[in-house]
Amino acid sequence: QVQLVQSGAEVKKPGASVKVSCKASGYSFISNYMHWVRQAPGQGLEWMGIINPSGGSTTYAQKFQGRVTMTRDTSSSTVYMELSSLRSEDTAVYYCARVEETVARLGYFDPWGQGTLVTVSS
Amino acid sequence: DIVMTQSPDSLAVSLGERATINCKSSQSVLYISNNKNYLAWYQQKPGQPPKVLIYWASTRESGVPDRFSGSGSGTDFTLTISSLQAEDVAVYFCQQYYNSPLTFGGGTKVEIK
Repeated sequence: QVQLVQSGAEVKKPGASVKVSCKASGYSFISNYMHWVRQAPGQGLEWMGIINPSGGSTTYAQKFQGRVTMTRDTSSSTVYMELSSLRSEDTAVYYCARVEETVARLGYFDPWGQGTLVTVSS
Repeated sequence: DIVMTQSPDSLAVSLGERATINCKSSQSVLYISNNKNYLAWYQQKPGQPPKVLIYWASTRESGVPDRFSGSGSGTDFTLTISSLQAEDVAVYFCQQYYNSPLTFGGGTKVEIK
């Protein structure tokens, strides 16, 4: 079955960077765009950006421009999200989520990864 | 950016009763050329990622109980749970995928009365 498995929880100090991985299985990795969404504790969902696993092109939300980098490794069917210059407000669960419709850049998400808690604290 | 506004923020419904959640977009998410509304509904239970229930505003995802239904078009949408079950306690989000940036409603928490 289609599955997205993310890396484990991280604790970082303000100003540091974090890199979260998302390993896909059960489908053709390059056929579906992948997005990243985050959720601060007790809050709603915030879209961060998209990566095309086929060519590696990316689009980032304006809020994260200059601080976020999304990459992929086709040999291991894994996408990565790196966020730099971390601050306390970046404490959140970070999700990867696959666009269900093949080739579509935008779409509804199915499935989602299990989430990775990133805690930023001095 | 398209702003998605959900109401109410929370609601408590008796078991077996109907629950209705509203979602309004700041601009139409109906794509005229294919007559599709680019709107999805998700259910999120504590400690879990969101799970898609409805897409294209009214298409139920495979495996989702038929007590869940979506309706609406353009800018106004509704998620209805026709007969609330205990396992439906969750937060529900709408999402537009009409254009970038993708945006979500603030969520509606559904509880048992």
